[in-house]
Amino acid sequence: EVQLEESGGGLVQPGESLTLSCAASGFISGFYWMSWVRQAPGKGREWVGQINQDGSQKYYNDFVKGRFTISRDNARNSLYLHIDSLRVDDTGVYYCARDVMGGVFDMWGQGTMVTVSS
Amino acid sequence: EIVLTQSPGTLSLSPGERATLSCRASQSVRNNCVAWYQQKRGQASRLLIYGASTRATGIPDRFSGSGSGTDFTLTISRLEAEDSALYYCQQCGNSRTFGQGTNIEIK
Repeated sequence: EVQLEESGGGLVQPGESLTLSCAASGFISGFYWMSWVRQAPGKGREWVGQINQDGSQKYYNDFVKGRFTISRDNARNSLYLHIDSLRVDDTGVYYCARDVMGGVFDMWGQGTMVTVSS
Repeated sequence: EIVLTQSPGTLSLSPGERATLSCRASQSVRNNCVAWYQQKRGQASRLLIYGASTRATGIPDRFSGSGSGTDFTLTISRLEAEDSALYYCQQCGNSRTFGQGTNIEIK
């Protein structure tokens, strides 16, 4: 089955770091740009950033301000999102998505919940 | 940043009726790069429409997209019970931003 599955979310304290993972199956993720998108409770989705096929190009939304790092391991067919200095307003569901045609997301995972609270 | 405003927030319709969902952009979307997605509870989002009007692979022709510039529409003709879901638009003409979504309830 062709799918994306996120993991690594949970309850973390403000100021801590966290790395989320996204495992692709049924297709070779290394052939595609991939993105992370998040959704805070009660709000719309927000694009976090993207990475190209070999990891040499990365683009982020302005709000990231250096705290988020996207990486990938094509040998493991996996994508990662590392978040430093977590803040309460980073709370939400984090999704990975396959990014095609210059910004269309043709495949999504079900998301992993990150809760930042003391 | 392009802000997308979707309306209405909720639609309650009967099977067989037509649903018309609006997505209005705060500025013109380059190349009409607008996509529509369906999100059912507990499932991954599904791409329905891209390029404002092109159906994604496997999407029934009951789903159609239209519009240009700042005003875009998703139409679902002949609603079925399985269409109960959250629908949201997204633009890719200038970075990527999303609308808040329209929830469709099937009576």
